[in-house]
Amino acid sequence: GENVEQHPSTLSVQEGDSAVIKCTYSDSASNYFPWYKQELGKGPQLIIDIRSNVGEKKDQRIAVTLNKTAKHFSLHITETQPEDSAVYFCAASREAGSYQLTFGKGTKLSVIP
Amino acid sequence: DVKVTQSSRYLVKRTGEKVFLECVQDMDHENMFWYRQDPGLGLRLIYFSYDVKMKEKGDIPEGYSVSREKKERFSLILESASTNQTSMYLCASLNTEAFFGQGTRLTVV
Repeated sequence: GENVEQHPSTLSVQEGDSAVIKCTYSDSASNYFPWYKQELGKGPQLIIDIRSNVGEKKDQRIAVTLNKTAKHFSLHITETQPEDSAVYFCAASREAGSYQLTFGKGTKLSVIP
Repeated sequence: DVKVTQSSRYLVKRTGEKVFLECVQDMDHENMFWYRQDPGLGLRLIYFSYDVKMKEKGDIPEGYSVSREKKERFSLILESASTNQTSMYLCASLNTEAFFGQGTRLTVV
């Protein structure tokens, strides 16, 4: 089955700096890579996703890149703000909507004002 | 607005009790999931269901069972609660993206 590794497990950045979280996956058939944000006391929520026919996707201060050859994908947050502090999970599956969605172990991001 | 609702935010149960965690979604999704979240271990899949009365074991099904009698409701059952089942439990439903409930923090004493 799929295995998703996520690094780092914790990350602290100064407000205004950039944050990068990296994930690798093992199944070359995976084609869908979502990222979830979990704020304190809440369930995870989808913030951005990317499919394998795209190398990069941006949404305001958030971007995701995918290197299918190397089987890794990354989340980039620019101009970090205190409200970006949360746990972030990457995930991978063969297609959007597949129940075989494998999550990474999560990264706790702290943005220091 | 899409909604997945878990019946309890916090639960305290005694060792050996039978525990029911309830989850309801209002999106008519076929796929529903139960995850367990522990520090350093991320989200681990306990069971999932892809249709009414259909279920599949996830990565850590031991000590748990599930019930899906109606499409909108997916229940997680701890047959005989143990202290090592103290955890955060998350329910999710899925179409093209997974929608999570707010979680149930279960403490078994």
